[in-house]
Amino acid sequence: QKEVEQNSGPLSVPEGAIASLNCTYSDRGSQSFFWYRQYSGKSPELIMFIYSNGDKEDGRFTAQLNKASQYVSLLIRDSQPSDSATYLCAVLYSGGGADGLTFGKGTHLIIQP
Amino acid sequence: KAGVTQTPRYLIKTRGQQVTLSCSPISGHRSVSWYQQTPGQGLQFLFEYFSETQRNKGNFPGRFSGRQFSNSRSEMNVSTLELGDSALYLCASSLAGAGANVLTFGAGSRLTVL
Repeated sequence: QKEVEQNSGPLSVPEGAIASLNCTYSDRGSQSFFWYRQYSGKSPELIMFIYSNGDKEDGRFTAQLNKASQYVSLLIRDSQPSDSATYLCAVLYSGGGADGLTFGKGTHLIIQP
Repeated sequence: KAGVTQTPRYLIKTRGQQVTLSCSPISGHRSVSWYQQTPGQGLQFLFEYFSETQRNKGNFPGRFSGRQFSNSRSEMNVSTLELGDSALYLCASSLAGAGANVLTFGAGSRLTVL
C-alpha cells in the first residue's frame, strides 16, 4: 500500500515569511516527486518536480528531497497572500502495477497579510 | 495552446444511473489519466490511457471504465452510480505518461449522485 502523508493544516504563515510544507511517503521504490497547488474550486497545477536527492530551486520555491528518510518538502520564500491554497504532494512509483501518481490529501496554507 | 478540456463541468445523476465524462487532452499529448477527488479521500488514481490502450489502473471497482480514441480524446464511464461516487473527476494529460512527464489537469467534472 503506497501512502503519501501530509499535515492537513491549516498552516498559517505571515506575509513575507517562509512557508514550509512537508510530505512523507511509504514506498522506497518511489522515483519521482511532485508538488501541485490547488486553489479552492480549481484543478491542481504543477509547481515543481524533483527526482534526485537534495534541493531544487525555482524562483521563490525550493523542493527538497531526502530519499533515505522518505521525505520531501516545499519551501516558499517571501510568502504572498496569493500563495494561499492547498498544496498537494504526489509521488510516482514506477515499479509495475498502477503507475499513476499517489497524492497526499494536501496541506491548506494560509498567508496572513 | 488550448488546455485540457473536460465536459460536462457539472452534472447531477441519481443512484443506479450511469454517466460518461469526456476529456480532450492538450494537442500532442498522448497520455490521459483520470483521477477522482473527494474531501475524504483526496485525489485517487483511476486509470491511464496511452495510444488507445489502458496502461495502468488504480483500485476502483469494475463499474469505473474508460477508453481512449485515436485522436487521444478519452472518456470514462461509471455504471450503476452510488452515492459515494459523488466527486470531482479530473482528467490530466501528458506527453508520454506520468512516468516521464508532468501532468496538466483539466478543470474537472463535478458529479453529484442523489
